[in-house]
Amino acid sequence: KQEVTQIPAALSVPEGENLVLNCSFTDSAIYNLQWFRQDPGKGLTSLLLIQSSQREQTSGRLNASLDKSSGRSTLYIAASQPGDSATYLCAVRPPGQNFVFGPGTRLSVLP
Amino acid sequence: GAVVSQHPSRVICKSGTSVKIECRSLDFQATTMFWYRQFPKKSLMLMATSNEGSKATYEQGVEKDKFLINHASLTLSTLTVTSAHPEDSSFYICSARNTDRGVYGYTFGSGTRLTVV
Repeated sequence: KQEVTQIPAALSVPEGENLVLNCSFTDSAIYNLQWFRQDPGKGLTSLLLIQSSQREQTSGRLNASLDKSSGRSTLYIAASQPGDSATYLCAVRPPGQNFVFGPGTRLSVLP
Repeated sequence: GAVVSQHPSRVICKSGTSVKIECRSLDFQATTMFWYRQFPKKSLMLMATSNEGSKATYEQGVEKDKFLINHASLTLSTLTVTSAHPEDSSFYICSARNTDRGVYGYTFGSGTRLTVV
């Protein structure tokens, strides 16, 4: 059974810092991996999607990497801003199945 | 494009009553929609897959008679929590699949906070 974990559970940084969020999954047989952002009491916004054949994806200040063989992904946020404060969810899609989500990392960027 | 509207965003109901949550795809047709439940500081857990015109597929451990799902049209799926109890209080999120967008085609609603008192 696929399981997804995220470290750290919570993170608080001053504005301007670069930071890394970690995601691990137990079964390397995945179709793709996706990072989402969730604001308090809100739904999910897709940030980056990495196909199983890809190593990384970039969007603006965000960079996500994927090492499928080791079951790891990282989300790198450059020059963090208070508006980046949210919960970041990592989710993998096993073949033929729906998303399996991690518990999330709650990020606070302090002005 | 690819907007999913979920309503209501918050609802408080009394124990024993039923609550209906709607999930609509506004600018695309969704033959498949998904319902998730999120506990505080926990992962989203898939509850069921809603298929237009057919019965929903429930995940193991999800009570079909408590969580009624209806997907009567290509743009609307509803989740009804029947005879709600305080332990049903949670955050419920729907997702709709837009097949035109390939792997990027999963759009999530804004969620519904259900509180049963």
